Amino acid sequence: NAGVMQNPRHLVRRRGQEARLRCSPMKGHSHVYWYRQLPEEGLKFMVYLQKENIIDESGMPKERFSAEFPKEGPSILRIQQVVRGDSAAYFCASSPTRGQGLNTGELFFGEGSRLTVL
Amino acid sequence: QQQVKQSPQSLIVQKGGISIINCAYENTAFDYFPWYQQFPGKGPALLIAIRPDVSEKKEGRFTISFNKSAKQFSLHIMDSQPGDSATYFCAASITSGTYKYIFGTGTRLKVLA
Repeated sequence: NAGVMQNPRHLVRRRGQEARLRCSPMKGHSHVYWYRQLPEEGLKFMVYLQKENIIDESGMPKERFSAEFPKEGPSILRIQQVVRGDSAAYFCASSPTRGQGLNTGELFFGEGSRLTVL
Repeated sequence: QQQVKQSPQSLIVQKGGISIINCAYENTAFDYFPWYQQFPGKGPALLIAIRPDVSEKKEGRFTISFNKSAKQFSLHIMDSQPGDSATYFCAASITSGTYKYIFGTGTRLKVLA
């Protein structure tokens, strides 16, 4: 499967625990975006990363949330001390390197990770 | 100024009818306007997209109409089918910047058989 891979697809955590969501972008893509979707709502931008760099984290809550995209391995969205309000679907999207090939501006989304906080 | 307003919130259409979803934006720096389709439990998938240098783009039964002066764009689904029942999101981005999408709030479309 050459698409954006997210895991776990479903994650249940109790209040106060940590949640780690992983995203492997499409092959050849070096840009990763994380979005949050609350039930019956749209997708809200959280953070945009390139390898080893956070480019735009304007949508990320200031506390408890962090993201990384290391030189090797998947991008990780980490939520510490989860609360019930963190229950949502978290989507990762990737896009090709700028200026290479047919860069149409399209973001390719994964299937999402659905976090439930008890 | 970063908002994209989408309407209606939900839409019910008879099979064979035309589904129309509207979006409006404020930021004139946006230069890429995609529409995404999302089925329950799945990730959004690109349906069709337009840039502001054209007023209309058609792909099969799906057409985007774009009105630059009014800062509005819409998705038309011709000959709507039950398989089109999904949530549709419009979005806008600045391709010279970070490419991040600002999404509308979504429209839940139900096409009756």
